[in-house]
Amino acid sequence: DAKTTQPPSMDCAEGRAANLPCNHSTISGNEYVYWYRQIHSQGPQYIIHGLKNNETNEMASLIITEDRKSSTLILPHATLRDTAVYYCIENAGGTSYGKLTFGQGTILTVHP
Amino acid sequence: NAGVTQTPKFQVLKTGQSMTLQCAQDMNHEYMSWYRQDPGMGLRLIHYSVGAGITDQGEVPNGYNVSRSTTEDFPLRLLSAAPSQTSVYFCASSSWTSGRGRADTQYFGPGTRLTVL
Repeated sequence: DAKTTQPPSMDCAEGRAANLPCNHSTISGNEYVYWYRQIHSQGPQYIIHGLKNNETNEMASLIITEDRKSSTLILPHATLRDTAVYYCIENAGGTSYGKLTFGQGTILTVHP
Repeated sequence: NAGVTQTPKFQVLKTGQSMTLQCAQDMNHEYMSWYRQDPGMGLRLIHYSVGAGITDQGEVPNGYNVSRSTTEDFPLRLLSAAPSQTSVYFCASSSWTSGRGRADTQYFGPGTRLTVL
């Protein structure tokens, strides 16, 4: 079972920032937080990951709280094409490498 | 690069039939895996491989076989199809030595939609 908790759905207006929360209160010290998304029936797509520092790439920003028990994925200027299911996943790598545990994620709907 | 490719896109089988789902990647990735996704659910790991000649079981391996004779290909075999295997199957690959060290950035294929009657 997934160890993270996410809201089942969220809405966002096009052009606004989308802030997707994730609760991972039992995360271990060596576990990273990964975000993937799945656009309507396609294969999941990697977005970003982090350990304890905030991270930013061309797709999104990841803010991790200091106690690492929660994080927020930020899509700074959401577009209609960002409508997807977003998955927050913990993984420590090592012997757990590649064994991603997908929960039910958050369905993000971006409205015009 | 084509990335991760899967064939066929759609397949309908009768109970008891066997078939092979094909997966190939052209990124020279060592790690490959198979997931299944049932309606409204997240993905579950079936089998994985850390390199040619090495495979292991994931969370839901029963009813499936895999082999890895080359780096590029990782076929998934359904031995005797059952209605419970109706699902969407995704193949994924990644490099152990990706730029972020232990980063677990998997590249997924487009999926095969399988229906077993």
